[in-house]
Amino acid sequence: SQKIEQNSEALNIQEGKTATLTCNYTNYSPAYLQWYRQDPGRGPVFLLLIRENEKEKRKERLKVTFDTTLKQSLFHITASQPADSATYLCALDHNNDMRFGAGTRLTVKP
Amino acid sequence: GAGVSQSPRYKVAKRGQDVALRCDPISGHVSLFWYQQALGQGPEFLTYFQNEAQLDKSGLPSDRFFAERPEGSVSTLKIQRTQKEDSAVYLCASSSSGLSNEKLFFGSGTQLSVL
Repeated sequence: SQKIEQNSEALNIQEGKTATLTCNYTNYSPAYLQWYRQDPGRGPVFLLLIRENEKEKRKERLKVTFDTTLKQSLFHITASQPADSATYLCALDHNNDMRFGAGTRLTVKP
Repeated sequence: GAGVSQSPRYKVAKRGQDVALRCDPISGHVSLFWYQQALGQGPEFLTYFQNEAQLDKSGLPSDRFFAERPEGSVSTLKIQRTQKEDSAVYLCASSSSGLSNEKLFFGSGTQLSVL
């Protein structure tokens, strides 16, 4: 069956450290992978998109990698801040729609 | 409009009632998606429109769920004879084209509680 698994339900880190979130997928062949941020009571907000032929993408303090052999994406937030606390969702394209993982709730402590 | 708008923001229904949830996508956006999000879970795909055509409805959990987008803009998700297990946040998203590499713009959702 098709699965999108994000490494842990919750991740707690200290301010200033790098947060690393994992997204693994099974029985999908995505051409694109996206990461979204979701705050409580709000819809997800797009952060980054990476294509299957790209190894890495960066945007400010964010970095995403995409390994189609391992069927895995890593999402890094460097120099994390309490304002980065949110749930982060990975999403794969599937027949022109997007399928989401369950998300990882990140808490950055001052 | 400035963003994707969903109404109502909250809906409480008695079991067995019919509900209608509305989505106003960003003006001009071709694609529109409906997702269901249970507490602590990621969004689960329900259905997808490109303009007025419903291209994929494989995620609709039962024939009690019906979605339409008759003029290719506003969409309505209807749930007939609501059940407790239908309680969730229903998210609508739109994207500017029909291409899979487009980012999705989400509304804030409709929180449905079935008593």
